[in-house]
Formats: sequence, structure tokens, C-alpha cells
Amino acid sequence: AQKITQTQPGMFVQEKEAVTLDCTYDTSDQSYGLFWYKQPSSGEMIFLIYQGSYDEQNATEGRYSLNFQKARKSANLVISASQLGDSAMYFCAMREGKSNFGNEKLTFGTGTRLTIIP
Amino acid sequence: EAGVTQFPSHSVIEKGQTVTLRCDPISGHDNLYWYRRVMGKEIKFLLHFVKESKQDESGMPNNRFLAERTGGTYSTLKVQPAELEDSGVYFCASSQESAGVQPYGYTFGSGTRLTVV
Repeated sequence: AQKITQTQPGMFVQEKEAVTLDCTYDTSDQSYGLFWYKQPSSGEMIFLIYQGSYDEQNATEGRYSLNFQKARKSANLVISASQLGDSAMYFCAMREGKSNFGNEKLTFGTGTRLTIIP
Repeated sequence: EAGVTQFPSHSVIEKGQTVTLRCDPISGHDNLYWYRRVMGKEIKFLLHFVKESKQDESGMPNNRFLAERTGGTYSTLKVQPAELEDSGVYFCASSQESAGVQPYGYTFGSGTRLTVV
């Protein structure tokens, strides 16, 4: 069975510093996808970044990058130059890998609440 | 395009009552998912529709939960009768199944916060 582990329930980071949110996963599939979502206090789930299991390069999207270490089964999210607006819950999730067409369920971790301190 | 819409945004009901949550996916998205997050725990999958058919309902907790998607458009999730442990945030997501769609094609709604007292 798939499992996502986020070991940091909460983090406090000084504004403008970089922050790493941990995520480890467990799957027996060779093909899978890893996602990070942000949930601000308003409640919506905002997609941040995606990494496919066969992607050789670490994914990057603006200030977000995913530190993908396949052998260690980790997919940490790195936010560079943190901003006050980055304060939110962050969820790591994994898709079972039958296709790339967005038609499989996601397995989520318990989330990390990130607070950026001015 | 309009996003995934869920309503109500909040619902407070008494134990034993019935509540119906609604999700309007992005127009044209065949896949519709329901997820639930109980306080402090992970977001858990409930079920997956492809158009009007239930593709996977392995996450539905028990028979007090009934999901429908008549006509393959919007979906409802009814809880009857509600119990205290049903409290949580219910999320809906939709995606389009077609070749060439980027793999991160899931769009989530803002969720319905259900409180059973």
C-alpha cells in the first residue's frame, strides 16, 4: 500500500530564508508521481509542483523546487526566499502510476504547517 | 475557466441529521474525486467518478455515505445519518482524462467544512 510521511507537523521560518519541507514515500510501483499542494487559511488546495518517478531532473517552479531522491524515497519541497504569503499548510501527495492522465487517486501525507516570521 | 466549486463552505449539523455536499467540477472534466480530512490527519480518498460511473469507492467509510453524479456533471455526497466522527473537511477534485494532459491535472475545490455536534 502507498504511504506518504511528513514528519514535521509545524515549522517556523524567518522571512527571506529558504525552507525545506520533508516528505518520504513508500510504494511498490515503478511508475508514480509526487505532488506538493499548498493550503492557505482560505481553504483551497493550490498545486505547487510535480515530479514523475522517471524524471531525471528535479522539478522546479519559480521559488519552489523538489529535491527528489529516488533511492531514499524522499521528495522534499524547497522554498527559496520565503515570503509571508508562504504561511500555509503544505501537503505531499503521490499518484499510483498507471498513466499520466490524472485519473488515479492521490495518497496524501498529514501535512506541515509552515509559518513565516517577519 | 471556472474552478471546482463546492458548497456549502461550512455546515454545522446535529448528530443524526442528514447533510448533502455538492461539488461542481470544471466543465468537461470526466474525473471527479471526493477526499476528506479529519482534524490533524491526512487527506483521505473517498471515491472516484469517471463521468457518471463510480470507478473506485474503496475509501467510502460506511453505508451512511452516498455519492452520486447524475449525468456526469456535478456530484453530491450525502451523509445520513451523520455521526460525530464524520466531522472534517470534504474536498472535491476534478481532472480531465485525455492524451497530452499534463500529469498535474487535478484541480481541487476549497472544501466543505462539516461539523457534527
